[in-house]
Amino acid sequence: DAGVIQSPRHEVTEMGQEVTLRCKPISGHNSLFWYRQTMMRGLELLIYFNNNVPIDDSGMPEDRFSAKMPNASFSTLKIQPSEPRDSAVYFCASSRVEDTIYFGEGSWLTVV
Amino acid sequence: GENVEQHPSTLSVQEGDSAVIKCTYSDSASNYFPWYKQELGKGPQLIIDIRSNVGEKKDQRIAVTLNKTAKHFSLHITETQPEDSAVYFCAASEGFKTIFGAGTRLFVKA
Repeated sequence: DAGVIQSPRHEVTEMGQEVTLRCKPISGHNSLFWYRQTMMRGLELLIYFNNNVPIDDSGMPEDRFSAKMPNASFSTLKIQPSEPRDSAVYFCASSRVEDTIYFGEGSWLTVV
Repeated sequence: GENVEQHPSTLSVQEGDSAVIKCTYSDSASNYFPWYKQELGKGPQLIIDIRSNVGEKKDQRIAVTLNKTAKHFSLHITETQPEDSAVYFCAASEGFKTIFGAGTRLFVKA
């Protein structure tokens, strides 16, 4: 079975530009998570969806970040406008409810 | 909220030796404790997990122990090999909330 699929794998963008990260969860999983990983803060949960509905977005850093899940097989995380401090690895992960979380390979974002 | 502390942050062992990574958690409601291995350039991958109704679980060279009273859980890797070199994360879950430790960078010297 295909795992969690993320795109792009790498993105370099200029400060102020819009960034859109994409995720396809594992088929049959009804929970989807966006995490951010940095050296300083480790793995941080940004937002959690259950059955396509955002349940907890308390980890979203600020209004520049937004996430959507229009259907069970697709989610986006958008940063607008991007800033250098947003540089990090962004992971999408999915699970069945209250079960093991499976991570994608990550989107490596650099904002210059 | 839940807080997970992980120690040590870096661990260097000789090939063939054992490695032990320890975690503590704060929320007694946490009932699921997965361990992940992250290799360079990849996402974290589950290597073993334990639920709160079990004290110990083993899978070949890796084992996990859980002490719910003390809110401690540990990962044990025996007969370490160079390919075990990676960053290891513990986590504690209750419902959908999974909180990760800061990670342990394990070096296995050949």
